[in-house]
Amino acid sequence: AQTVTQSQPEMSVQEAETVTLSCTYDTSESDYYLFWYKQPPSRQMILVIRQEAYKQQNATENRFSVNFQKAAKSFSLKISDSQLGDAAMYFCAYRSPSINSGGSNYKLTFGKGTLLTVNP
Amino acid sequence: DARVTQTPRHKVTEMGQEVTMRCQPILGHNTVFWYRQTMMQGLELLAYFRNRAPLDDSGMPKDRFSAEMPDATLATLKIQPSEPRDSAVYFCASGLVGLSGANVLTFGAGSRLTVL
Repeated sequence: AQTVTQSQPEMSVQEAETVTLSCTYDTSESDYYLFWYKQPPSRQMILVIRQEAYKQQNATENRFSVNFQKAAKSFSLKISDSQLGDAAMYFCAYRSPSINSGGSNYKLTFGKGTLLTVNP
Repeated sequence: DARVTQTPRHKVTEMGQEVTMRCQPILGHNTVFWYRQTMMQGLELLAYFRNRAPLDDSGMPKDRFSAEMPDATLATLKIQPSEPRDSAVYFCASGLVGLSGANVLTFGAGSRLTVL
């Protein structure tokens, strides 16, 4: 079974600075998908960024980018120019491709989360 | 924007009572998931459906929990009887699964359950 580990329960960053959140995972699959979700105090789970394992290029979405190291099974999230609205719980998640198992392994496996505080 | 709708947003009940949570997935999505979030366990998968058929409910306590999709526009999660340890936020998520596998799940806002 796949596992996802977020080793930083809490992180803080100064507004306008850069912060990196860590995530490692364990899998025997060669193809899979990785995600970062954001959960603000409103509780809503919001997709931040995703990465397909077969792509070597790191995904970017505006101020958010990832450092995907497949051999090391590492998937960190970098937030540049941090804003007060970035304060939230961030979850790393893993998913098998549905084509591998007819859809039965389509579920997301989440890490425990990292609580990010942004200081003004 | 299309959204996943969950009701109720908040529910306070007494131990032993039946609780039903409802989810309306995004129109056209063929996969529905139920997750439970607690401080101790984080996000746990309870059950999921594809084309309304249950694919995996191994994460769900079978003696008191049940999940169904009576039609494509409604998924339900029922707890009977409820216990204090069931207090959590329950999320529904839907997605469109295709052979490409690159699909994204959209989450509802969650139902916060408190069992006294």
